[in-house]
Amino acid sequence: GDSVTQMEGPVTLSEEAFLTINCTYTATGYPSLFWYVQYPGEGLQLLLKATKADDKGSNKGFEATYRKETTSFHLEKGSVQVSDSAVYFCALDNFNKFYFGSGTKLNVKP
Amino acid sequence: DGGITQSPKYLFRKEGQNVTLSCEQNLNHDAMYWYRQDPGQGLRLIYYSQIVNDFQKGDIAEGYSVSREKKESFPLTVTSAQKNPTAFYLCASSFEAGKVSGANVLTFGAGSRLTVL
Repeated sequence: GDSVTQMEGPVTLSEEAFLTINCTYTATGYPSLFWYVQYPGEGLQLLLKATKADDKGSNKGFEATYRKETTSFHLEKGSVQVSDSAVYFCALDNFNKFYFGSGTKLNVKP
Repeated sequence: DGGITQSPKYLFRKEGQNVTLSCEQNLNHDAMYWYRQDPGQGLRLIYYSQIVNDFQKGDIAEGYSVSREKKESFPLTVTSAQKNPTAFYLCASSFEAGKVSGANVLTFGAGSRLTVL
């Protein structure tokens, strides 16, 4: 069945460091891919999305490219801020069936 | 503004009691979902509904029940049969598959935290 695997956390970085959170997926057909972010005590918010191979989703300095050949959708940001501290979830949608990774907690220290 | 409203935000339950969590959306979405989140873990699907008066079990439906009498509303009842109900519950909604061009985004509410005393 369809599934999403993302790197385990927590990931701890200093402010202005480069961020990569790895995400790979298994799916039949052509799923859409997403990154969601969750701040403490809140629901998940959409961070970015991509609908087909080679699409790049971007928002608030975060980017991820839909790589069909490696079935990956890695999240990157060139310079993280303390306010980016949160839990990040990779997800896919295959005809209204949504699958989530287990989440990666990011801690950014000043 | 359109969105999903979950209530209450915090709820305490005594053992043996049933409790109902409310979820209302004004996004005109067709599908609605309930997820459970335990500390440090990902999301697990409890129930989902693609249309009014129809719903399907997710991965962990035992001890829970739902109804979908209106398009806007999808309440979740945590019954006394649920042995470990303390968790963070998230409601979400989306359009029907194929109804939108591009990505079909899942929109979440702010969550309800249930604690069993």
